[in-house]
Amino acid sequence: QVHLVQSGAEVKKPGASVKVSCKASGYTFTGYYMHWVRQAPGQGLEWMGRINPNSGGTNYAQKFQGRVTMTRDTSISTAYMELSRLRSDDTAVYYCARALGVGEAGDYWGQGTLVTVSS
Amino acid sequence: SYELTQPPSVSVSPGQTASITCSGDKLGDKYACWYQQKPGQSPVLVIYQDNKRPSGIPDRFSGSISGNTATLTISGTQAMDEADYYCQAWDSTTVVFGGGTKLTVL
Repeated sequence: QVHLVQSGAEVKKPGASVKVSCKASGYTFTGYYMHWVRQAPGQGLEWMGRINPNSGGTNYAQKFQGRVTMTRDTSISTAYMELSRLRSDDTAVYYCARALGVGEAGDYWGQGTLVTVSS
Repeated sequence: SYELTQPPSVSVSPGQTASITCSGDKLGDKYACWYQQKPGQSPVLVIYQDNKRPSGIPDRFSGSISGNTATLTISGTQAMDEADYYCQAWDSTTVVFGGGTKLTVL
C-alpha cells in the first residue's frame, strides 16, 4: 500500500528557510517522479517542481527558480523540498505527490505540511 | 506561460449530471487529469490521461477531451461529490493547474 508521510507543521520568520520531507513506502521509490505542490489559504493548487528520485534530476517552476531545492535520499525513500528567503505569501500547505509516468498525474499525495511565515 | 481555465463554480441537483470544463491551448495534444479536493484534505486523483479512472474511483466520474477543452462529468451526482475540482496538464517540463471549480450539490 502506497503511503507518503510528510514532516510536521513549521513556523518560520521572513527571510528564513524551510525544509519539508516526504517519506515514501509501499512502492519502489526510484520508479516514480515526486512532485511538490502548494496551496495558500483559500487558494488553488500551485505546482513548484518535481524530482526524479532515480537520477536526482529536477524541474522547477519558473516562479520558484533560485529559491527552491528538491533533493532525495534513496536509502530512506525520502524526498525533500527546501524553500529559502521565505515571505509571508509563502504561507501555505505544501504537498508531495507521486506522479504517474504519462501526463504526470499525481496518484498518491502526502497529508500536507503547513508552513506559516510570520514575524 | 501555459494556462488552464475552469469556471469558478458549478451547481447541480442531487442525482443530476454535473459537467466541469477545463480549457487550454492545444489541450487535446496533452494529457489532462482531474482532482477532487474536499476541505482540509489532500487532493484525490479522479481522472488521468484524459479519461482513465484510478482504482477505487466510482464509475459515475468520467472524463473526455475535445480540441482545447477537457470535461469532467459526474453522473448521478451525490452530496458527497460536493468539493473543489482541479484540472491539470503537463506542458513541456511544467505541470499546470486550472484555477479550480467549486461544485455545489443543492
